[in-house]
Amino acid sequence: AQSVAQPEDQVNVAEGNPLTVKCTYSVSGNPYLFWYVQYPNRGLQFLLKYITGDNLVKGSYGFEAEFNKSQTSFHLKKPSALVSDSALYFCAVRGFAGTYKYIFGTGTRLKVLA
Amino acid sequence: DAGITQSPRYKITETGRQVTLMCHQTWSHSYMFWYRQDLGHGLRLIYYSAAADITDKGEVSDGYVVSRSKTENFPLTLESATRSQTSVYFCASSDSGGGTDTQYFGPGTRLTVL
Repeated sequence: AQSVAQPEDQVNVAEGNPLTVKCTYSVSGNPYLFWYVQYPNRGLQFLLKYITGDNLVKGSYGFEAEFNKSQTSFHLKKPSALVSDSALYFCAVRGFAGTYKYIFGTGTRLKVLA
Repeated sequence: DAGITQSPRYKITETGRQVTLMCHQTWSHSYMFWYRQDLGHGLRLIYYSAAADITDKGEVSDGYVVSRSKTENFPLTLESATRSQTSVYFCASSDSGGGTDTQYFGPGTRLTVL
């Protein structure tokens, strides 16, 4: 069965510092991995995805994520955090095996301190 | 371009009543999804649909019914609402549904069952 884990409920980082939001996954076959962001009282917005190719994926708003197959991780990163990056971040996975059932993590709240 | 809309945005109902949440998308996306968001659980898939008249269960489908007579609409019905169905419900669509494709989320419906 496929699963996603976001081990941190909340991450605090100072503005201007690099940030990392962690995600590990378990899936049969090659994974399709996604990051979404949710601002207060809004739906989720797509940030980036990994399907195949380069392990470093670049996405919206300066975010990037690194796919590590041996560690089954897909951590979200940004070199310099902004206060406006404060939001709830979700990692999601879909296995290739003919299903469209995406599994989302429980979310990590990012708080960027001015 | 309205994108994907949900109605109502807020709903309060009583245990045992039938409730229908509406979802409408203007992109003619093939795939549509219903999720519920609960603290500590992230997003969980209730139902998804690959096309008009094609639907399939997600991980938490008990107590819910869907239909999709038209590509653009994907209503979710709670046949007899229970307090455990108090949640925020998100509808999403994607243009092919395969794992390579991005999901676009509606703004959500906050449902309270008393």
